[in-house]
Amino acid sequence: DAGVIQSPRHEVTEMGQEVTLRCKLISGHNSLFWYRQTMMRGLELLIYFNNNVPIDDSGMPEDRFSAKMPNASFSTLKIQPSEPRDSAVYFCASSLSYDTIYFGEGSWLTVV
Amino acid sequence: QQPVQSPQAVILREGEDAVINCSSSKALYSVHWYRQKHGEAPVFLMILLKGGEQKGHDKISASFNEKKQQSSLYLTASQLSYSGTYFCGTEIYSGGSNYKLTFGKGTLLTVNP
Repeated sequence: DAGVIQSPRHEVTEMGQEVTLRCKLISGHNSLFWYRQTMMRGLELLIYFNNNVPIDDSGMPEDRFSAKMPNASFSTLKIQPSEPRDSAVYFCASSLSYDTIYFGEGSWLTVV
Repeated sequence: QQPVQSPQAVILREGEDAVINCSSSKALYSVHWYRQKHGEAPVFLMILLKGGEQKGHDKISASFNEKKQQSSLYLTASQLSYSGTYFCGTEIYSGGSNYKLTFGKGTLLTVNP
Protein backbone atom coordinates (compact mmCIF):
# COMPACT_ATOMS: atom_id res chain seq x y z
CA ASP A 1 0.00 0.00 0.00
CA ALA A 2 1.24 3.48 -0.80
CA GLY A 3 1.95 5.62 2.22
CA VAL A 4 1.64 9.37 2.55
CA ILE A 5 3.42 10.90 -0.42
CA GLN A 6 5.07 14.29 -0.16
CA SER A 7 6.75 16.44 -2.75
CA PRO A 8 9.23 17.89 -3.20
CA ARG A 9 11.52 15.93 -0.92
CA HIS A 10 14.11 18.68 -0.92
CA GLU A 11 13.83 22.32 -1.88
CA VAL A 12 16.29 25.17 -1.73
CA THR A 13 14.86 28.56 -2.51
CA GLU A 14 15.73 32.19 -2.15
CA MET A 15 14.16 34.44 0.44
CA GLY A 16 11.01 36.05 -0.89
CA GLN A 17 10.10 33.22 -3.23
CA GLU A 18 6.88 31.27 -2.99
CA VAL A 19 7.13 27.68 -1.81
CA THR A 20 4.43 25.06 -2.33
CA LEU A 21 4.61 21.71 -0.59
CA ARG A 22 2.30 18.93 -1.66
CA CYS A 23 0.84 15.92 0.08
CA LYS A 24 -1.20 12.91 -1.01
CA LEU A 25 -3.05 11.13 1.78
CA ILE A 26 -3.30 7.40 2.26
CA SER A 27 -6.39 6.19 0.44
CA GLY A 28 -9.40 6.12 2.75
CA HIS A 29 -7.93 8.40 5.39
CA ASN A 30 -9.96 11.42 6.34
CA SER A 31 -7.66 13.43 8.61
CA LEU A 32 -4.70 15.39 7.35
CA PHE A 33 -1.99 17.06 9.42
CA TRP A 34 0.87 19.39 8.57
CA TYR A 35 3.79 19.43 11.01
CA ARG A 36 7.02 21.41 10.98
CA GLN A 37 10.15 20.02 12.61
CA THR A 38 13.16 22.02 13.76
CA MET A 39 15.85 21.30 16.30
CA MET A 40 14.69 24.12 18.54
CA ARG A 41 10.95 23.53 18.54
CA GLY A 42 10.60 19.84 17.76
CA LEU A 43 7.49 18.69 15.90
CA GLU A 44 4.99 21.53 15.72
CA LEU A 45 1.44 21.04 14.52
CA LEU A 46 0.69 23.73 11.96
CA ILE A 47 -2.81 22.82 10.84
CA TYR A 48 -5.07 19.84 10.56
CA PHE A 49 -8.10 18.96 8.47
CA ASN A 50 -10.89 16.51 9.10
CA ASN A 51 -13.02 15.51 6.12
CA ASN A 52 -11.47 18.32 4.04
CA VAL A 53 -12.41 20.96 6.61
CA PRO A 54 -9.67 22.90 8.43
CA ILE A 55 -10.24 22.25 12.12
CA ASP A 56 -7.39 24.03 13.84
CA ASP A 57 -4.86 26.35 12.21
CA SER A 58 -3.64 27.97 15.41
CA GLY A 59 -0.17 26.58 14.77
CA MET A 60 0.26 28.37 11.46
CA PRO A 61 3.05 30.86 12.18
CA GLU A 62 1.66 33.84 10.32
CA ASP A 63 -0.29 34.95 7.29
CA ARG A 64 2.56 33.96 5.00
CA PHE A 65 1.50 30.35 5.54
CA SER A 66 -1.63 28.89 4.01
CA ALA A 67 -2.91 25.35 3.58
CA LYS A 68 -5.63 23.95 1.39
CA MET A 69 -7.29 20.64 0.82
CA PRO A 70 -8.93 20.89 -2.61
CA ASN A 71 -10.10 17.27 -2.46
CA ALA A 72 -10.22 14.35 -0.08
CA SER A 73 -6.82 12.97 -1.03
CA PHE A 74 -4.59 15.98 -1.62
CA SER A 75 -3.30 18.98 0.28
CA THR A 76 -0.89 21.86 -0.25
CA LEU A 77 1.03 24.04 2.17
CA LYS A 78 2.13 27.35 0.73
CA ILE A 79 4.62 29.85 2.09
CA GLN A 80 4.61 33.25 0.43
CA PRO A 81 6.98 35.02 0.77
CA SER A 82 9.45 32.57 2.26
CA GLU A 83 12.04 33.61 4.85
CA PRO A 84 15.21 31.92 6.12
CA ARG A 85 13.51 31.13 9.47
CA ASP A 86 11.04 28.94 7.56
CA SER A 87 13.84 26.45 6.90
CA ALA A 88 12.72 23.15 8.43
CA VAL A 89 11.41 19.72 7.60
CA TYR A 90 7.71 19.81 6.84
CA PHE A 91 5.83 16.59 7.45
CA CYS A 92 2.42 15.74 6.19
CA ALA A 93 0.55 12.97 7.99
CA SER A 94 -2.79 11.29 7.62
CA SER A 95 -5.04 9.11 9.70
CA LEU A 96 -8.48 7.57 9.77
CA SER A 97 -10.56 9.43 12.33
CA TYR A 98 -7.76 10.26 14.75
CA ASP A 99 -6.40 6.74 14.90
CA THR A 100 -2.75 5.96 14.13
CA ILE A 101 -1.10 8.83 12.31
CA TYR A 102 1.11 7.93 9.37
CA PHE A 103 3.80 10.39 8.38
CA GLY A 104 5.15 11.11 4.95
CA GLU A 105 8.91 11.19 4.44
CA GLY A 106 8.99 14.96 4.79
CA SER A 107 9.91 17.94 2.65
CA TRP A 108 13.28 19.42 3.57
CA LEU A 109 13.06 23.16 2.96
CA THR A 110 16.03 25.50 2.96
CA VAL A 111 15.46 29.21 2.42
CA VAL A 112 18.62 31.17 1.73
CA GLN B 1 -0.22 22.70 25.00
CA GLN B 2 2.96 20.89 24.00
CA PRO B 3 3.61 17.91 26.29
CA VAL B 4 6.83 17.84 28.27
CA GLN B 5 9.18 14.91 27.83
CA SER B 6 12.00 13.80 30.08
CA PRO B 7 14.81 13.12 29.89
CA GLN B 8 15.89 15.08 26.83
CA ALA B 9 18.55 12.51 26.04
CA VAL B 10 19.72 9.17 27.35
CA ILE B 11 22.66 6.94 26.49
CA LEU B 12 22.49 3.22 27.13
CA ARG B 13 24.59 0.16 26.63
CA GLU B 14 22.95 -2.66 24.76
CA GLY B 15 20.81 -4.69 27.16
CA GLU B 16 20.09 -1.85 29.58
CA ASP B 17 16.64 -0.47 30.35
CA ALA B 18 15.25 3.04 29.94
CA VAL B 19 12.12 4.99 30.83
CA ILE B 20 10.89 8.03 28.96
CA ASN B 21 8.25 10.20 30.58
CA CYS B 22 5.63 12.47 29.06
CA SER B 23 3.36 14.86 30.92
CA SER B 24 0.64 17.28 29.93
CA SER B 25 -1.09 20.19 31.58
CA LYS B 26 -4.34 19.35 29.78
CA ALA B 27 -6.82 16.49 30.17
CA LEU B 28 -5.85 13.82 27.68
CA TYR B 29 -7.94 11.68 25.39
CA SER B 30 -5.01 9.53 24.33
CA VAL B 31 -1.24 9.35 24.16
CA HIS B 32 0.72 8.30 21.07
CA TRP B 33 4.33 7.19 20.99
CA TYR B 34 6.54 7.47 17.91
CA ARG B 35 10.18 6.80 17.14
CA GLN B 36 12.16 8.72 14.55
CA LYS B 37 15.49 7.68 13.09
CA HIS B 38 17.77 10.41 11.83
CA GLY B 39 16.64 11.71 8.46
CA GLU B 40 13.48 9.63 8.45
CA ALA B 41 9.82 10.15 9.27
CA PRO B 42 8.42 9.36 12.72
CA VAL B 43 7.11 5.82 12.94
CA PHE B 44 4.17 4.77 15.08
CA LEU B 45 4.85 2.63 18.15
CA MET B 46 1.59 2.57 20.07
CA ILE B 47 -1.51 4.46 21.21
CA LEU B 48 -2.86 4.45 24.74
CA LEU B 49 -6.43 5.55 25.32
CA LYS B 50 -7.73 7.12 28.49
CA GLY B 51 -8.63 4.53 31.06
CA GLY B 52 -5.16 3.99 32.43
CA GLU B 53 -4.22 1.11 30.19
CA GLN B 54 -0.82 -0.32 29.60
CA LYS B 55 0.38 -1.64 26.27
CA GLY B 56 3.43 -3.29 24.90
CA HIS B 57 5.00 -5.28 22.16
CA ASP B 58 8.34 -6.97 22.10
CA LYS B 59 10.37 -5.26 24.82
CA ILE B 60 8.75 -1.83 24.48
CA SER B 61 5.73 -1.01 26.61
CA ALA B 62 3.93 2.07 27.85
CA SER B 63 1.55 3.14 30.55
CA PHE B 64 -0.96 5.98 30.72
CA ASN B 65 -2.08 7.56 33.97
CA GLU B 66 -5.12 9.57 33.01
CA LYS B 67 -5.49 11.26 36.40
CA LYS B 68 -1.93 12.49 36.43
CA GLN B 69 -2.04 13.25 32.69
CA GLN B 70 1.19 11.33 32.27
CA SER B 71 2.53 8.51 30.18
CA SER B 72 5.74 6.54 30.35
CA LEU B 73 7.50 4.48 27.71
CA TYR B 74 9.54 1.53 28.94
CA LEU B 75 12.34 0.02 26.90
CA THR B 76 13.78 -3.15 28.37
CA ALA B 77 16.90 -5.02 27.33
CA SER B 78 17.61 -2.32 24.77
CA GLN B 79 18.88 -3.22 21.33
CA LEU B 80 20.99 -1.15 18.94
CA SER B 81 17.90 -0.75 16.75
CA TYR B 82 16.14 1.15 19.53
CA SER B 83 18.33 4.19 18.93
CA GLY B 84 16.43 7.23 17.73
CA THR B 85 14.33 10.10 18.96
CA TYR B 86 11.16 9.16 20.80
CA PHE B 87 8.19 11.48 20.68
CA CYS B 88 5.06 11.39 22.75
CA GLY B 89 1.97 12.90 21.21
CA THR B 90 -0.91 13.94 23.39
CA GLU B 91 -4.40 14.11 22.03
CA ILE B 92 -6.74 16.63 23.61
CA TYR B 93 -10.30 17.55 22.88
CA SER B 94 -10.49 20.63 20.68
CA GLY B 95 -14.21 21.17 20.25
CA GLY B 96 -17.10 19.55 18.43
CA SER B 97 -16.05 16.02 17.56
CA ASN B 98 -12.43 16.99 17.01
CA TYR B 99 -9.20 16.22 18.80
CA LYS B 100 -5.77 17.76 18.45
CA LEU B 101 -2.49 15.84 18.55
CA THR B 102 0.61 17.74 19.61
CA PHE B 103 4.07 16.34 20.17
CA GLY B 104 6.73 16.90 22.77
CA LYS B 105 10.25 17.92 21.79
CA GLY B 106 11.47 14.37 21.87
CA THR B 107 13.94 12.22 23.78
CA LEU B 108 17.12 11.21 21.99
CA LEU B 109 17.97 7.62 22.86
CA THR B 110 21.38 6.25 21.93
CA VAL B 111 22.15 2.58 22.43
CA ASN B 112 25.82 1.67 22.25
CA PRO B 113 27.31 -1.81 21.87
